[in-house]
Order: sequence, then structure tokens, then C-alpha cells
Amino acid sequence: ETGVTQTPRHLVMGMTNKKSLKCEQHLGHNAMYWYKQSAKKPLELMFVYSLEERVENNSVPSRFSPECPNSSHLFLHLHTLQPEDSALYLCASTDGTDTEAFFGQGTRLTVV
Amino acid sequence: AQKVTQAQTEISVVEKEDVTLDCVYETRDTTYYLFWYKQPPSGELVFLIRRNSFDEQNEISGRYSWNFQKSTSSFNFTITASQVVDSAVYFCALSDPIYNQGGKLIFGQGTELSVKP
Repeated sequence: ETGVTQTPRHLVMGMTNKKSLKCEQHLGHNAMYWYKQSAKKPLELMFVYSLEERVENNSVPSRFSPECPNSSHLFLHLHTLQPEDSALYLCASTDGTDTEAFFGQGTRLTVV
Repeated sequence: AQKVTQAQTEISVVEKEDVTLDCVYETRDTTYYLFWYKQPPSGELVFLIRRNSFDEQNEISGRYSWNFQKSTSSFNFTITASQVVDSAVYFCALSDPIYNQGGKLIFGQGTELSVKP
């Protein structure tokens, strides 16, 4: 596999469920990101991990919990979400320097 | 604060027409990067171009061209002889200068381009 891969591609969950989104990059990058793309809104940066350490948390509610076990994998653990959390969640990676980000295809999340 | 504005929410053209997507940005920093990404229906953002704030040269890549004007804080994108495959949402983005990492981006709202045969 190449590039940035996200699973699952689609997810429907109830407000009391717990689920996880997975992102894997095969580019040898050392920084990974979670973005949220809601309808009618710009993409919003949620979390930044550099060298497996969280370097930024953009005031994201605690019902979203990221995990970066190594430089190739990034997870977003979800629990007790709200319907307004329904969105496309995109993962990206960079090599940490002034280069462009590579994005995955996203997970389309629907909270019912 | 940094901000990116893409005033055109939707554009519809007929194949072979030229189309320009506008992008205006705000930043107090002197060093920054500007980007354009394409988002086809499949969802992933595809990188198109990165421009350093010190490099105001326009760039052409095939049917794509970019006009960076620092004086007006604009970074416009033109597709010449548009094709149906160009239909997508296009995002302009500005890098956050604090970390100066290519992944920390401030995005515009996006312009949905529809190219009809």
C-alpha cells in the first residue's frame, strides 16, 4: 500500500457507542494530523502529532481522543459523540519540514 | 490572525472554458506558504501546488496556472480548457507559521467546480 490509508471509509454510530478511526501512512513521514470537514465549513485542524508526541490540540472536546503509537499509525477514539460530530474526518502526514501534506480519503462519520 | 477566503462557493462551466478560482488570504507574518488542494468525490485532498511567500513568480503546470500577488494578498488558480475530470472542490490554504509545518493549514471554504460536457 502507498500513501495515507484511512479505515473505515464509512461509519455510523450511536451516541453511546465507542469506536475508533485508523490512519496509516507508508511515506516515512514523522508528523500526522487529524482534520474535521463538516458541511458548509472549512477544514478544521483537530490534532497534530510530531515524532509521536501530541504538539497541538485545537480545543477539541474530550469525547475525541487521539493516539499515535508510532510514526506510521494514528488513531482517533470516539465516545459519546453528538449528532453535530457527523463529518468527514481526514488524516494527513508530512515529513515535518516545509513540505506539502498528504491526505487520506477520509472516514465519513454519521452519528445517530 | 490568519484567514483564507474563497468567495466563490460554486462555479459551473462548460467543458473547454477557462475558469479562475479566487483566493484571498490574511496574515501578519512575512514568511508563509500557500497551497492549493483538489478534493474529488472520493474524498482525499490532492496536493496541487505550494508557493513560498518570497516567491512571487507565477507558475504553470499543464492546463493549471497560479497567480500569486502579494500586494493584494491573492493566490488565484486558473484552469485552461477545463475538462469534466476537473470537477471537484478546490481548497486554498495557508500554512501556520508558528510551526512552519506543511500539515498545519488554515483552509478556505472551498470552491466547488462543476465542468459540464
